[in-house]
Amino acid sequence: KAGVTQTPRYLIKTRGQQVTLSCSPISGHRSVSWYQQTPGQGLQFLFEYFSETQRNKGNFPGRFSGRQFSNSRSEMNVSTLELGDSALYLCASSPEGVRINYGYTFGSGTRLTVV
Amino acid sequence: AQSVAQPEDQVNVAEGNPLTVKCTYSVSGNPYLFWYVQYPNRGLQFLLKYITGDNLVKGSYGFEAEFNKSQTSFHLKKPSALVSDSALYFCAVRDMNSGYSTLTFGKGTMLLVSP
Repeated sequence: KAGVTQTPRYLIKTRGQQVTLSCSPISGHRSVSWYQQTPGQGLQFLFEYFSETQRNKGNFPGRFSGRQFSNSRSEMNVSTLELGDSALYLCASSPEGVRINYGYTFGSGTRLTVV
Repeated sequence: AQSVAQPEDQVNVAEGNPLTVKCTYSVSGNPYLFWYVQYPNRGLQFLLKYITGDNLVKGSYGFEAEFNKSQTSFHLKKPSALVSDSALYFCAVRDMNSGYSTLTFGKGTMLLVSP
């Protein structure tokens, strides 16, 4: 079956602009999580969505937001981009539900460069 | 709160030698533990997980990990390293007893296998 699909793979934006990244999870997976990966900070948790509801949120400013649609596809948005937002943004999907012993399946990520 | 420590930024090993990548964790309850690998410009790939049962877990590509509850460790091992094992390795934990907790990742360990 198809894996986790993230689009676009690469983005270059200018400081002050906004950006929307998309993630399509594995069919049947209802949980989608987003992580920011930078060389200095490693993998930082942004937020998790389950059945269109934000279930967990990391310690990021309000410029970072997300949503999940009824088909489990998710988008994240970053407004007023800063140079420090340059990173690899990873989406991960999981079946979830009551049991939480599943790991994640990751997409290949979106490489965002802010200039 | 849950956390993961990977004490080594980089591990160097010669091809054919055994390798160990270290991971220690902290959770308030019982842990679910995972190892992921990341190749350049790619997302994370699942290697193995510990849920319950045997302390020695076998995973993909000949990797295994040993769960040690008293030392709160989950070190990744392989008996004979390959040059193709060179990549970035992440350990992750989630608390079994804390409801819908997310996966928390360590900062990663770069494994370099020399020919």
